[in-house]
Formats: sequence, C-alpha cells, structure tokens
Amino acid sequence: SQELEQSPQSLIVQEGKNLTINCTSSKTLYGLYWYKQKYGEGLIFLMMLQKGGEEKSHEKITAKLDEKKQQSSLHITASQPSHAGIYLCGADDGQGAQKLVFGQGTRLTINP
Amino acid sequence: DTAVSQTPKYLVTQMGNDKSIKCEQNLGHDTMYWYKQDSKKFLKIMFSYNNKELIINETVPNRFSPKSPDKAHLNLHINSLELGDSAVYFCASSQDMGGEYYGYTFGSGTRLTVV
Repeated sequence: SQELEQSPQSLIVQEGKNLTINCTSSKTLYGLYWYKQKYGEGLIFLMMLQKGGEEKSHEKITAKLDEKKQQSSLHITASQPSHAGIYLCGADDGQGAQKLVFGQGTRLTINP
Repeated sequence: DTAVSQTPKYLVTQMGNDKSIKCEQNLGHDTMYWYKQDSKKFLKIMFSYNNKELIINETVPNRFSPKSPDKAHLNLHINSLELGDSAVYFCASSQDMGGEYYGYTFGSGTRLTVV
C-alpha cells in the first residue's frame, strides 16, 4: 500500500524566512494533496498536483510534484505567523481505492 | 455555507456509552469518508461510502458502525466507547469521476474524549 513520509516532522523558523516541507512516496503519486490544519480546526485544502513536473502557487505558498511523481515539496516564501500549523500531504494511490493516504504531518512554528 | 459539516464539534462521554457523530455535505459529491486522527496527528481512513454503499472498512472494530441514509449524509455510531477511542474524527467527501476521486473536502472535525 502507499506510504507517505514527510520531512521534517517539526520546523521552527523566524518570521520572514523561507521554508520547505517535503513529502516522499513509496509509489507513484496520483493526485497529491496538500492540506493545512490549525489546532482544533479541520483540514484546509491548499493545492492538488497530478502531473509530473507540475507546480502551483497560492499567495506565498508553492507546491511542486517531481517528474517521477514520487516526491512533492511545499515551499513558503517570507513566512508569516498565519502560516503556522500542521501541513499534511495526502495521496490517492491511483488504484481506485477511493481513499487518501496521509503523511504524518509537519508541525510548523513561526517565531516573531 | 459549510461544504462538509459535522456535529458535534466536541464530545465528552464516559466509557461504555454509545454515541453518534453526524456528517452532511452539500457539494453533491458521491463519496463520503470517516477518518480518525490520533494523538500523534496520524490521519487514517476508517470507512468510505459511495452512493450509500460501503466501499472501505479499514480494520475498524465493529463497535463502529457507519450509516449513510443518502449520499449527502454519513453518520458514525460508536457503541461501548473505550478510552482508546479518544481522537479527532473527520468526515470528508469527494467526487467520483469514473473511478478517480477529486476534491477531497474535509469537515472541521469532532473531538471525542472518552473518560
């Protein structure tokens, strides 16, 4: 079955700095999703990537899927306190399994 | 208008009780899910329903029984609650596009605490 590994598991950065979170899969990724979760809240959809080499941006967050479709990265430019939270990558294994498998999450803290 | 709504948001109950969590989606999606997030924040699927039909049951104890009265609703009933059931339960939905699934949308979660 598909397994997703996120790194780092925890990240503390100074406000204004750039950062990258990685998501690596044991299998080819189909439909890679990035979500953000704040404490006590649900998962907020950020972006979905499907094609090898695809890159999407929303405000200061950019997500990429590598050409081999086994790794995705989430990059935040000029981080702000509002970026703090848990970032989760999820993937459909493309086998019609009708479910997302998630990584263990990356806890991001932004220090002022 | 909330796309996927769950009730209640918080639930505190004693061991041995029976409780239900309700979920409704207004996105017109065909497939609905229950996910469990444990204390370590691991998010794992429990069940999925497609047009009221159970598709996935991921080795969940039979104390957990999902019920889908129609494709917009998926409720989760839990019998004889145990301490280990304490977690955040998320409802989600997606659209079936000929065997591929898009637009996974999650509810805000129900934090269940069993004491």
